[in-house]
Amino acid sequence: GQQVMQIPQYQHVQEGEDFTTYCNSSTTLSNIQWYKQRPGGHPVFLIQLVKSGEVKKQKRLTFQFGEAKKNSSLHITATQTTDVGTYFCAGVLLRTGGGADGLTFGKGTHLIIQP
Amino acid sequence: DGGITQSPKYLFRKEGQNVTLSCEQNLNHDAMYWYRQDPGQGLRLIYYSQIVNDFQKGDIAEGYSVSREKKESFPLTVTSAQKNPTAFYLCASSIAQVNQPQHFGDGTRLSIL
Repeated sequence: GQQVMQIPQYQHVQEGEDFTTYCNSSTTLSNIQWYKQRPGGHPVFLIQLVKSGEVKKQKRLTFQFGEAKKNSSLHITATQTTDVGTYFCAGVLLRTGGGADGLTFGKGTHLIIQP
Repeated sequence: DGGITQSPKYLFRKEGQNVTLSCEQNLNHDAMYWYRQDPGQGLRLIYYSQIVNDFQKGDIAEGYSVSREKKESFPLTVTSAQKNPTAFYLCASSIAQVNQPQHFGDGTRLSIL
């Protein structure tokens, strides 16, 4: 079925290093959302991207939506221990005949930070 | 404070029993969702509801049932037909359409004894 693929599954970084997670869909997305889930917690909405080529920043986090609206990335500059968690992308897939489905979540990227 | 409340936080069930997970929201959101989260699997949609007295199956609805008699409440029943019910269950809600940002509850962890 239609999926939203997310890589890598796990990423170990040293504190202070940068981190990037990538999200890809075989189907054009209406929009894409990013969520963060801390260990033992629940997903928390971070941001939504709607426009082709859109770039948004939240402090050290940079979110991009591809020109073809089929891929997205989240980049964290100079990671801190508070960045630990799982980052999920969630896309709204456009149907061939029109309309859109609900959110389809990627499997997430687990960010592990070594001090 | 507005939010989503899931209860209980931990739940244990004997094989062959049905169990109901509670989800209540006071955000005045129209749409509500149930997800199942397994290690390495991300979030998989079980059921969702866009309006009172209406709900739709998600990707993994077999062995589950829901009701939406009130806007604030969307309980999930895990039936004995669900072969592998041990998982972390998350309830979420959003304004109107299903493509809007979702707010999640703290989850219920269900284990089979």
